[in-house]
Amino acid sequence: DAKTTQPTSMDCAEGRAANLPCNHSTISGNEYVYWYRQIHSQGPQYIIHGLKNNETNEMASLIITEDRKSSTLILPHATLRDTAVYYCIVRDSGGSNYKLTFGKGTLLTVNP
Amino acid sequence: DAGVIQSPRHEVTEMGQEVTLRCKPISGHNSLFWYRQTMMRGLELLIYFNNNVPIDDSGMPEDRFSAKMPNASFSTLKIQPSEPRDSAVYFCASSSGDYTGELFFGEGSRLTVL
Repeated sequence: DAKTTQPTSMDCAEGRAANLPCNHSTISGNEYVYWYRQIHSQGPQYIIHGLKNNETNEMASLIITEDRKSSTLILPHATLRDTAVYYCIVRDSGGSNYKLTFGKGTLLTVNP
Repeated sequence: DAGVIQSPRHEVTEMGQEVTLRCKPISGHNSLFWYRQTMMRGLELLIYFNNNVPIDDSGMPEDRFSAKMPNASFSTLKIQPSEPRDSAVYFCASSSGDYTGELFFGEGSRLTVL
């Protein structure tokens, strides 16, 4: 699986958009980009995933660059409850597609 | 659905004792995962089951660790004998195996070995 690089931490004001970047320059054609988050003392929670098109759901939007070497997770109106560690994961859709390899993630702190 | 259910939520034991962690996956899910989380190593995949069969146990630290899935609704992770370095939060997750690849995690079992 390709590796990802994320900033260690970020801050965001409540009510503003939070934009979390992720670099995955070695991603291959059949690998998806997944985002999970982990609120303190809870299990990780799936947010969104995509292959090459931008994706949106009720939680967030995922913007993937045309060359697929980086992506941005957007929380449009961050709330205090969005404070969490956000993990960007690249995952193969092939034989080992069950594996989610978590890195260190980005600690997003939403401030009042 | 109640989600993935893990027990116990907290366990404190002494070195050398046997520890058994339990997991009930979401009904209908055919994949089950055991992860371990520590400050030093982050989230690590220990073992993965598909249709109750262990597929990949390469993440299991050593022979002291064993995992079973006797049926589709129950799995155990056993540590015998336990050591202080086994102290961690152990997460169980399940997946339906659909195209989304979404894993649903339990709340975790926090293990402290004294």
